[in-house]
Amino acid sequence: ETGVTQTPRHLVMGMTNKKSLKCEQHLGHNAMYWYKQSAKKPLELMFVYNFKEQTENNSVPSRFSPECPNSSHLFLHLHTLQPEDSALYLCASSQGRAGGRSTDTQYFGPGTRLTVL
Amino acid sequence: QKEVEQDPGPLSVPEGAIVSLNCTYSNSAFQYFMWYRQYSRKGPELLMYTYSSGNKEDGRFTAQVDKSSKYISLFIRDSQPSDSATYLCATSGGYNKLIFGAGTRLAVHP
Repeated sequence: ETGVTQTPRHLVMGMTNKKSLKCEQHLGHNAMYWYKQSAKKPLELMFVYNFKEQTENNSVPSRFSPECPNSSHLFLHLHTLQPEDSALYLCASSQGRAGGRSTDTQYFGPGTRLTVL
Repeated sequence: QKEVEQDPGPLSVPEGAIVSLNCTYSNSAFQYFMWYRQYSRKGPELLMYTYSSGNKEDGRFTAQVDKSSKYISLFIRDSQPSDSATYLCATSGGYNKLIFGAGTRLAVHP
């Protein structure tokens, strides 16, 4: 596998369910990101991890819980979601050098299409 | 005011047309500007990036930044049906933080 992979590609869940999204990058990067993409809205940055440390939490509700066990894997744990959380969830990675440039190219996975009933 | 504004379209053009996609941004401190392309059911992929003002050309694609008017553009020459996608402009708002426009959906019909 190459690049950034995400599983599952599609997920339907009820508001009381607990599920997890998984992201894996095969690029040797040190920074990983979760974004939310809703129709006709800009990509919303949710979380950033640099060298496994969370460096950004963009006021995301606590029903979304990220986990980064190592620099290749990123999870997004979901519980008691709302219908308005239905969206495409994208994972990305970048080189993420400590003190690195803002121009680090971000490479995106294909996303998980989440539907909350 | 949104930090990056982009007309969502859709934009429909005939094959071979010149396409102009545009964004405006609000913060004059932004220095890095990117264009991503997103095909249906795929994640965004970086198409081009520019630093500060000026033009950058790559094949049929030209990215242009006008910092005086806070305006960024992507031109596609000789557009092809394979160019049909959503185009996202983005700018750097700090280390590891990209700020995206809403994306413009482009359809190039044969």
